[in-house]
Amino acid sequence: NAGVTQTPKFRVLKTGQSMTLLCAQDMNHEYMYWYRQDPGMGLRLIHYSVGEGTTAKGEVPDGYNVSRLKKQNFLLGLESAAPSQTSVYFCASRPGQGIRETQYFGPGTRLLVL
Amino acid sequence: AQSVTQLDSHVSVSEGTPVLLRCNYSSSYSPSLFWYVQHPNKGLQLLLKYTSAATLVKGINGFEAEFKKSETSFHLTKPSAHMSDAAEYFCVVNTLYNQGGKLIFGQGTELSVKP
Repeated sequence: NAGVTQTPKFRVLKTGQSMTLLCAQDMNHEYMYWYRQDPGMGLRLIHYSVGEGTTAKGEVPDGYNVSRLKKQNFLLGLESAAPSQTSVYFCASRPGQGIRETQYFGPGTRLLVL
Repeated sequence: AQSVTQLDSHVSVSEGTPVLLRCNYSSSYSPSLFWYVQHPNKGLQLLLKYTSAATLVKGINGFEAEFKKSETSFHLTKPSAHMSDAAEYFCVVNTLYNQGGKLIFGQGTELSVKP
């Protein structure tokens, strides 16, 4: 199993450009998450999904959109990138709704917006 | 609401000496707590998790953590630090499924290990 994979690993954008980050998991997990990591702030939740076809807002959703058309994929879109979106983005997944379940993280995508 | 506070943003120890990374939590129900480690420019790796089966939890690489309900703490310890332990450590609390089962992260503690 590859686990959780993210594409791309690194990207540079100009302000106003758009892009999509892809997260894929091969563990048949129901729940998927997008976080961003900024220095001194830990990880903050952007959006999440509790199953195919569902999405919900997290702590910092503004400027991002998501889609979960297939169970194994969770896409994060930036319609018009801003320098404040420079960050490291992590995707995660977990099997289901049990509170004791572990989230498994992807390797991250570094995004620089100029 | 659930929250975690990591009491030290940076901890520095000498190789071979004990490590203590402190974490306090707040939860309105019996919590599920985790410690993750992140090495420079890497993803997050699960060190250990508390699932109410035992208050002393053993993890990978010699780390362990003790859940103390009376003190609302979940401190991470290791008897003897190794150079490879230098990394950032996150204390994390889980939420209920009706809150999306999302994780709430502490701000992180950067561990430095001196030779």
